[in-house]
Amino acid sequence: EDKVVQSPLSLVVHEGDTVTLNCSYEVTNFRSLLWYKQEKKAPTFLFMLTSSGIEKKSGRLSSILDKKELFSILNITATQTGDSAIYLCAVVRDSYGQNFVFGPGTRLSVLP
Amino acid sequence: DSGVTQTPKHLITATGQRVTLRCSPRSGDLSVYWYQQSLDQGLQFLIHYYNGEERAKGNILERFSAQQFPDLHSELNLSSLELGDSALYFCASSVMETQYFGPGTRLLVL
Repeated sequence: EDKVVQSPLSLVVHEGDTVTLNCSYEVTNFRSLLWYKQEKKAPTFLFMLTSSGIEKKSGRLSSILDKKELFSILNITATQTGDSAIYLCAVVRDSYGQNFVFGPGTRLSVLP
Repeated sequence: DSGVTQTPKHLITATGQRVTLRCSPRSGDLSVYWYQQSLDQGLQFLIHYYNGEERAKGNILERFSAQQFPDLHSELNLSSLELGDSALYFCASSVMETQYFGPGTRLLVL
């Protein structure tokens, strides 16, 4: 059965810390991996990763995919209280359309 | 504001009833996705439409159906509602890699 696992499930850090969130997957017909940030509302799309070893960056956030070992990491440097959210990882299966399998999310709390 | 709109914002109904949720994608986006988010099951992908055509199905129950119209708006129909259908329903639209989520419809089945 296809599955996406995220760790840790919950994380508390202080402002300025660097965090690494993990996402591993066992999915047939992998196409791509996506990261989202969800605060008290709708998810916000962060990154889409399709190729191994190519880092995607946006400000203090970066992510990389390892297709051989079947995992991805999301790094957040110099964390701020505004980074507090649930971070979701989803894998898109290769099909005629886009078929998603979501992980449970990592709840990040950044304390001042 | 993502540019994706969903109506209604909240919906309260009774078991056995049928409801329709509506989504308008961002201007120019051809893809619409529907998701269900509940406390015990997290975010679940339901279905993907592209330019009026169903492209992929996820964990969508047979009691649920969707369609995308020529003007690209989409509707998600939920019938024979059960208590367990209470959840937040999101739609998202996309062009290229980036997805944009609507604010969601919160459904409560009593």
